[in-house]
Amino acid sequence: AQSVAQPEDQVNVAEGNPLTVKCTYSVSGNPYLFWYVQYPNRGLQFLLKYITGDNLVKGSYGFEAEFNKSQTSFHLKKPSALVSDSALYFCAVEEAGSYQLTFGKGTKLSVIP
Amino acid sequence: NAGVMQNPRHLVRRRGQEARLRCSPMKGHSHVYWYRQLPEEGLKFMVYLQKENIIDESGMPKERFSAEFPKEGPSILRIQQVVRGDSAAYFCASSPTDRTYEQYFGPGTRLTVT
Repeated sequence: AQSVAQPEDQVNVAEGNPLTVKCTYSVSGNPYLFWYVQYPNRGLQFLLKYITGDNLVKGSYGFEAEFNKSQTSFHLKKPSALVSDSALYFCAVEEAGSYQLTFGKGTKLSVIP
Repeated sequence: NAGVMQNPRHLVRRRGQEARLRCSPMKGHSHVYWYRQLPEEGLKFMVYLQKENIIDESGMPKERFSAEFPKEGPSILRIQQVVRGDSAAYFCASSPTDRTYEQYFGPGTRLTVT
């Protein structure tokens, strides 16, 4: 079975500071990894994905994530946070070929002006 | 190209009534996925459908829930005899192929059972 853990329910960061939202995963095979963002009363917006290749993945709005196989992690990062980045962030994993995305519980990011 | 459409956006049902949630995938997409988001939780996979076929329903409750994706028209998630525990946001996603890393999500339907 595949699973995702987002150990922080909430992350607070000052505007202009770097941000990190943590994610670890568990799959029995090769993982496909994703980050989505959800604004209040909205659907999920895709940020980035890791399928194969370079461990550092760059995505939308200046976000990036690093796949670390040995630590089974896929942390989301951004060098300089914006107030508009405040939202709920979800990490998701798919075991290759399983069809199903398994989501973490989400991390609420608050960027303080 | 319009995104994934879901309607209604908000649905209120009394206990025991039926809820029908609709999902129109993006143009050209023939694969649909339904997820449920309970309060304070992440999305949980429910079912994966292709046109006229249920591919994987391992996340669907065994009773009261059903899904279809007919040849013509939207995908429908049907919940019979709703209970308060069914209150959640239901999200639909679509993809052009069976590769889930191309999933696009709709805005969701928020079901409230009173």
